[in-house]
Amino acid sequence: EAGVTQSPTHLIKTRGQQATLRCSPISGHTSVYWYQQALGLGLQFLLWYDEGEERNRGNFPPRFSGRQFPNYSSELNVNALELEDSALYLCASSFYQGNEKLFFGSGTQLSVL
Amino acid sequence: KNEVEQSPQNLTAQEGEFITINCSYSVGISALHWLQQHPGGGIVSLFMLSSGKKKHGRLIATINIQEKHSSLHITASHPRDSAVYICAVRLRGSQGNLIFGKGTKLSVKP
Repeated sequence: EAGVTQSPTHLIKTRGQQATLRCSPISGHTSVYWYQQALGLGLQFLLWYDEGEERNRGNFPPRFSGRQFPNYSSELNVNALELEDSALYLCASSFYQGNEKLFFGSGTQLSVL
Repeated sequence: KNEVEQSPQNLTAQEGEFITINCSYSVGISALHWLQQHPGGGIVSLFMLSSGKKKHGRLIATINIQEKHSSLHITASHPRDSAVYICAVRLRGSQGNLIFGKGTKLSVKP
């Protein structure tokens, strides 16, 4: 069974551009979580989607947004990129909301020049 | 003060040693996760705990809810255990949001 897949693996953008990151959860998982891991800052919760709805978001500006599709895959969009958006973006999925074990993708390394 | 504190930040051990990594938190939680992150970024969920103790192979995780403390133990450590170990808590009443510790970087020498 395929794990959580993220694409692209690496993404290079310039300041002010938009970035789109994609995540496919494990088959049967309805919840998708996005996390940011910036150098020296540790992991931070970004967004949680479940059954196509945004359920919760972390302390990030509105230019961080996303959506979840009917097949439960998800997109993270970052508009008006800033240099400090350079980070590893990790997606995780779980069977359903609540205290469930998380399964992580390998991440997308976003570099903003 | 961070809501989730891990210690030590860095740990070097010889192969075969018993290793303990600690996690303390200051908030009410519904669950605590132990994660392992290898160089390159991939993260594996090792345990999810809400009480007591769990064991998987050479790994043991314990949690004391009253003391707001959890430990991850590795018995008979091996160089392949070298990774960053991250503690994360889910706040009580807050679904989806995890608060992460800064991680413990473990290096096991042969």
